[in-house]
Amino acid sequence: DQQVKQNSPSLSVQEGRISILNCDYTNSMFDYFLWYKKYPAEGPTFLISISSIKDKNEDGRFTVFLNKSAKHLSLHIVPSQPGDSAVYFCAASPGGSNYKLTFGKGTLLTVNP
Amino acid sequence: DADVTQTPRNRITKTGKRIMLECSQTKGHDRMYWYRQDPGLGLRLIYYSFDVKDINKGEISDGYSVSRQAQAKFSLSLESAIPNQTALYFCAIGTSGSLADTQYFGPGTRLTVL
Repeated sequence: DQQVKQNSPSLSVQEGRISILNCDYTNSMFDYFLWYKKYPAEGPTFLISISSIKDKNEDGRFTVFLNKSAKHLSLHIVPSQPGDSAVYFCAASPGGSNYKLTFGKGTLLTVNP
Repeated sequence: DADVTQTPRNRITKTGKRIMLECSQTKGHDRMYWYRQDPGLGLRLIYYSFDVKDINKGEISDGYSVSRQAQAKFSLSLESAIPNQTALYFCAIGTSGSLADTQYFGPGTRLTVL
């Protein structure tokens, strides 16, 4: 049973436009959510996170929105740049002392010049 | 210097061989993890360790074993490699404090089992 779902395997956007990557989860115990970016031949890089007590967290061009009632989060990248082209993974943790992450399958973002 | 180092970066081996992948960190964090990534399947947890004397199985531990030789070192072994263990393997470390759930990853090892 997939607890963290990224239903779009790929997304293509034009440079300068907004990229919106979506993630749904089924486990109501998840308390902390993260986004990672992965380039080919590199390890995943932590991008941004959000606690369940918030509904929005912003860091520069990246904003994560959390809708707990819908069990849905999204990552907005504005404006998108060609260097943002990568695989983006959504991850979730129950928080507390669990310290284990459950990952989605990833979405390949391509930003076209 | 990178916080998390993995060796080797690439390895090709044959079915039945014993393989060890090594991970070391310079951050002094207690928590270390091993994941594998397969195309279309995301990252799946193999084993994790919260300190030197603590080893726990993840969701796909069959066919793997680990050793936490020191706080900074966490090795993953394939006792008898099989072709479906061909994958990208990542080591990660867990931080503490306000970002306690955040993990930081090494560069990965690409393993091919023929």
